[in-house]
Amino acid sequence: DGGITQSPKYLFRKEGQNVTLSCEQNLNHDAMYWYRQDPGQGLRLIYYSQIVNDFQKGDIAEGYSVSREKKESFPLTVTSAQKNPTAFYLCASSSLGGSSLSGANVLTFGAGSRLTVL
Amino acid sequence: AQSVTQPDIHITVSEGASLELRCNYSYGATPYLFWYVQSPGQGLQLLLKYFSGDTLVQGIKGFEAEFKRSQSSFNLRKPSVHWSDAAEYFCAVGERGAGNMLTFGGGTRLMVKP
Repeated sequence: DGGITQSPKYLFRKEGQNVTLSCEQNLNHDAMYWYRQDPGQGLRLIYYSQIVNDFQKGDIAEGYSVSREKKESFPLTVTSAQKNPTAFYLCASSSLGGSSLSGANVLTFGAGSRLTVL
Repeated sequence: AQSVTQPDIHITVSEGASLELRCNYSYGATPYLFWYVQSPGQGLQLLLKYFSGDTLVQGIKGFEAEFKRSQSSFNLRKPSVHWSDAAEYFCAVGERGAGNMLTFGGGTRLMVKP
C-alpha cells in the first residue's frame, strides 16, 4: 500500500544531542513537509521541499535541518540548538501541479514521531 | 498572511446528537479549505476539502462542510455523532499557487458521551 512511513514512533533524547527523524514515502509525490504539533497550537510548518536537493524554511525552522537527496526521503534533524524540542512531529507529502481533481494540494500524513527530551 | 481560527478547543456531545465544529479563516482570495481528523497518537486523515464550485462538500464518515464566503467560515457538520468520532479535528487553509502549504487551526477536541 502506498503511504508515508515515519520512524521511530517514540524517541527520547538527552539535552545537547542531535536526533534524526526518518520520513519515507512511496506515493511518488514531489513535495514533502515537516510539521511540529504542540497541544492547543495546531500544526506549524518547519521545512518543506518541492524537488530533490532543494528545500525551504517554514515558520519555525530554527534549530532544525533537513535534506532531500532522494524523492522518497525527507529526514528531519532536531539539533541541540532547538530550545524546546519535545513535541509530536508529522511528515506529509503531496503531488504538485495538476488540477484539484487530481489530488493536488492535498497533503497525506504519516503517523508521526513523538520526541521527548529528558 | 493567512490564518485559521477554531474557536472551540473542546466540545462534548452525546452519541446520536448533531455536531457542528466552527472554522473561520483570514485570507484575501478564495482559499483551498480542508478538514482533517486525528486520532490520539496518529497522523492526520483528510475528511473533506473545498477547492471551488458547490459550497457544500461531502466527506468521509458522514461529514459535510459548508463554505460561506461572506462569513469567511468553513464549518464541519455531522447529523448524528458516533462514539468512534471522538478525536481532534483540524481546519486548514491553503493558498492557491503556494505549493500546497497549509495553515492549520489550533484544533477542536471532540468527546462523545454515551
